[in-house]
Amino acid sequence: NAGVTQTPKFRILKIGQSMTLQCTQDMNHNYMYWYRQDPGMGLKLIYYSVGAGITDKGEVPNGYNVSRSTTEDFPLRLELAAPSQTSVYFCASSFAQGGTEAFFGQGTRLTVV
Amino acid sequence: GENVEQHPSTLSVQEGDSAVIKCTYSDSASNYFPWYKQELGKRPQLIIDIRSNVGEKKDQRIAVTLNKTAKHFSLHITETQPEDSAVYFCAASITGNQFYFGTGTSLTVIP
Repeated sequence: NAGVTQTPKFRILKIGQSMTLQCTQDMNHNYMYWYRQDPGMGLKLIYYSVGAGITDKGEVPNGYNVSRSTTEDFPLRLELAAPSQTSVYFCASSFAQGGTEAFFGQGTRLTVV
Repeated sequence: GENVEQHPSTLSVQEGDSAVIKCTYSDSASNYFPWYKQELGKRPQLIIDIRSNVGEKKDQRIAVTLNKTAKHFSLHITETQPEDSAVYFCAASITGNQFYFGTGTSLTVIP
């Protein structure tokens, strides 16, 4: 099992550029999440999805968009990148029912210059 | 929404000593409390979790306690080793959907 796979691992963007962070999981999890991790600030939820075709905003959604066309994939889109979006991004997934473990991808370190 | 506070933000202990990290949460409906360990440059990984119907759970050198009345839970690491050095995150969730994370504790075990 690959678990949760994110690409790319590193990326440098110029201000105003756009990009998509890819996330795929092979555990047939219904729930998927995108977090950003800033130094000393913990993990902040950007968007989450409870199943294919359903997405919802988390704590810090501004400047991002997501889609969930399949159970496996949950890409995060950055439009008009800003320096404030410099961060480490983690995708995660979990089963829907009950309190269960969230499995994380390896992270994407994004720098906007 | 839920608010999870975590203390301390940094913790240094001598090898062999115990380490305790504490978290509080605000939403009494939260019923699942995982702890994650994140080594430098790596992904967070679950080390132990506890559900609201349990007061304590232990796994070798790691234990978690939960006080629902006071809405706080703690991670206890005994006989610490250098490989325990990492950032530890607590989290709270309701039925496993949204997770709310604490701000993390950077633990350093001094050989």
